[in-house]
Amino acid sequence: AQTVTQSQPEMSVQEAETVTLSCTYDTSESDYYLFWYKQPPSRQMILVIRQEAYKQQNATENRFSVNFQKAAKSFSLKISDSQLGDAAMYFCAFNTDKLIFGTGTRLQVFP
Amino acid sequence: DAMVIQNPRYQVTQFGKPVTLSCSQTLNHNVMYWYQQKSSQAPKLLFHYYDKDFNNEADTPDNFQSRRPNTSFCFLDIRSPGLGDAAMYLCATSREGPESSYEQYFGPGTRLTVT
Repeated sequence: AQTVTQSQPEMSVQEAETVTLSCTYDTSESDYYLFWYKQPPSRQMILVIRQEAYKQQNATENRFSVNFQKAAKSFSLKISDSQLGDAAMYFCAFNTDKLIFGTGTRLQVFP
Repeated sequence: DAMVIQNPRYQVTQFGKPVTLSCSQTLNHNVMYWYQQKSSQAPKLLFHYYDKDFNNEADTPDNFQSRRPNTSFCFLDIRSPGLGDAAMYLCATSREGPESSYEQYFGPGTRLTVT
């Protein structure tokens, strides 16, 4: 079975600091995609960052970067210079033939 | 801007009264999905259309059905809503095929209340 595990139900960070959200997954596939989605309260789910499993280089999008460890099946999200607008539920997701979500991590950002 | 649109954003229905939620997209994506999301939980896939081919998840109740009359529109029909069906319903699209990244684009959701 393919599963995604987010072991941190809640995290908090101070504005301008860095925070890392953890994600592990389990699959027997060798070719797949990993995503981090952000869902602010009462707002639309949007893609934060995407990683192709065949690429060794970690994806980066502005203040967001991932640490992808394929052998360990780990895909953590680092948010640098955290902003108040980063407060949201973050879902790690994995896709071969359909998107499988983790249970989410609620991130709070304090001024 | 290309996008996924869901109407209405909020829907109130009575217990047992059929309700239809709609989704449209301007992305010209070939795959459309319906998810159910309950409070503080991950979205749960109900079904999806790959072009005109309907794919139902094994644990989706028979009470939930879907129609996709054309590429742009997809509907979620709940035949006899129960209190447990109160949730946010998310529509998503993706373009699948050669060189697809399998990224899904989500609509803003319809929050369904059952009274």
